[in-house]
Amino acid sequence: DAGVTQSPTHLIKTRGQQVTLRCSPISGHKSVSWYQQVLGQGPQFIFQYYEKEERGRGNFPDRFSARQFPNYSSELNVNALLLGDSALYLCASSLRDRGHYEQYFGPGTRLTVT
Amino acid sequence: AQSVTQLGSHVSVSEGALVLLRCNYSSSVPPYLFWYVQYPNQGLQLLLKYTSAATLVKGINGFEAEFKKSETSFHLTKPSAHMSDAAEYFCAVSEPGTYKYIFGTGTRLKVLA
Repeated sequence: DAGVTQSPTHLIKTRGQQVTLRCSPISGHKSVSWYQQVLGQGPQFIFQYYEKEERGRGNFPDRFSARQFPNYSSELNVNALLLGDSALYLCASSLRDRGHYEQYFGPGTRLTVT
Repeated sequence: AQSVTQLGSHVSVSEGALVLLRCNYSSSVPPYLFWYVQYPNQGLQLLLKYTSAATLVKGINGFEAEFKKSETSFHLTKPSAHMSDAAEYFCAVSEPGTYKYIFGTGTRLKVLA
């Protein structure tokens, strides 16, 4: 079975630009979460979507937005990029939106902002 | 508020020695707890999870963890380290009814030949 897939693998952007990251969950999973992992730290929660609705948002500015499509894939958008947005962005899928359902992570998209 | 503390950002063990990675949590209710492993340039892989069943949880690759409520701990162990265990390990907590994981800062395990 295919796991969580993310695209692109790597991305280099300039300050002020906008970026869109994509995620396809495991087949049958209806929940997608996004995390930011800055080098040397643990992942930080950004968003969770379940059945195309936002179920939760972490402590991130409004420059960060996301959506989930009818096929349960998801996009994360970041506007007005800052140097501090450089990180590994991880997508995770799970069957449901509750914490006891384990999350399966994709390989991530490494974003570098110059 | 939930939080996770991983003591020791770097741990070194000899091949064949016991692996012990420490995780302490803070939660207002009995939590769900997870251990993930991350190899270089990869995503996170679930090792094991505790969701209020047996307090001793066995995972993949010979790892296990014990939930100790009195100590608010969920330490990860493996009896005999293998070179392939070298990676970064993350402990995470989630509260029932919530949707997000709170991760610790990670412990990088180095296995010495």
